[in-house]
Formats: sequence, C-alpha cells, structure tokens
Amino acid sequence: AQKITQTQPGMFVQEKEAVTLDCTYDTSDQSYGLFWYKQPSSGEMIFLIYQGSYDEQNATEGRYSLNFQKARKSANLVISASQLGDSAMYFCAMREGNQGGKLIFGQGTELSVKP
Amino acid sequence: GAGVSQSPSNKVTEKGKDVELRCDPISGHTALYWYRQRLGQGLEFLIYFQGNSAPDKSGLPSDRFSAERTGESVSTLTIQRTQQEDSAVYLCASSLGGVGYNEQFFGPGTRLTVL
Repeated sequence: AQKITQTQPGMFVQEKEAVTLDCTYDTSDQSYGLFWYKQPSSGEMIFLIYQGSYDEQNATEGRYSLNFQKARKSANLVISASQLGDSAMYFCAMREGNQGGKLIFGQGTELSVKP
Repeated sequence: GAGVSQSPSNKVTEKGKDVELRCDPISGHTALYWYRQRLGQGLEFLIYFQGNSAPDKSGLPSDRFSAERTGESVSTLTIQRTQQEDSAVYLCASSLGGVGYNEQFFGPGTRLTVL
C-alpha cells in the first residue's frame, strides 16, 4: 500500500541557514510522482516542487530542492537561505502512475524559522 | 485567472444534519479532487473526478459521504447525518489531468464544525 512518512513533527532553523525536511515513501509502482506543499497558518496549500520517479536529476525551484534517493525511497526537501516567511507546515505527497490521480500525504512537518 | 473557490468558508451544523459543500475548479481543469484535513493532520483523499470517467470513490469514509460533479465544472460534496468526527477542513483541488505531473491547485477549504 502507498504510504508517506514524515518523521519530524517539528523543526527549527535559524534565519538564512539551510534546512532539510525528511520524507520517505512506500510504493510498488515503478512510475510515481512526489510533491511538496507548504501550508502557512492561513491554511492555503502552496505547491513547491515536483519529482517524477524517472527524472534523473533532482528537482530544483528557486530556494527549494528535492534530494531524491530512489533506492532508499526518500524525497527530502531542502530549503536554502531560510526566511521568516518559510515558517509553516510542509507536506510531502505521492501520486502513483504518471497521470492525474489522488495524492497520498504525509503527516507534515512544522517548520519554525528563528530570527 | 481565478483559482479554485469553495463555499461556504465556514459551516457549523448540529449532529445529524446534512451538509453540502461546493467547489468551483479552475476553468479548463478536467480533474477535481476532494480531501479532508483534521486538525493537526495531513490531508486524507476522499474522491477524484476525471472528465467523464467513473469517479475514484476509494477514499470516502462511509456511505454518509457522496459527491457529484456537473460535467467539468462545479462539484458538491454531501455529508448526510453528520457526526462530530466529521469536523474538519474539506479541501477541493483541481488539475489539468492527462499525462504529466499535474500539479493540483487547492481551494481555501471549508471548515466544518459539527456540534
């Protein structure tokens, strides 16, 4: 069965430093997609980054990068140069297959950026 | 263009009453999803519509939950005989569908409180 595990309920990082949020997944499919979303206290879900299972290079989007280790089934999010506005809940999610379909979400990591 | 909209933003109801939650997806998005988020938890998949295909109802927690979608537009999630355990934020998302990473764009959610 599909499963996403985020083992860090809460994380702290100093402003301007980098932080890694952990995500491991379990699937028997060869084709799948991995997503990270940010949820500020306002409740909106903001898409950050996507990694396809067949993508050979790690995805990057500005200050966000995804450390994809397929053999270990991990898809950690790295945020560089943290900003106060990065304080939020972060969710890792997986979709099986290469077309539209449901996302399976982890329990989330609450990131707090300290000034 | 306009994003995903949901109404009402907040709904307070008494145990045993029926409620209807509405979602307006982004124009042109053929895929529509409903998720539930309990306080402090990740998102749970409920149901997925893709064009004219039969919906994926595998996430509906009981037969008290149902959803409809009119063509490729508005969707309504109905919860009959509400229970206190149904209290949560109900999030709707839409995407283009088809092959590709298919980023899901989320609405602001409906916060349901069952007294």
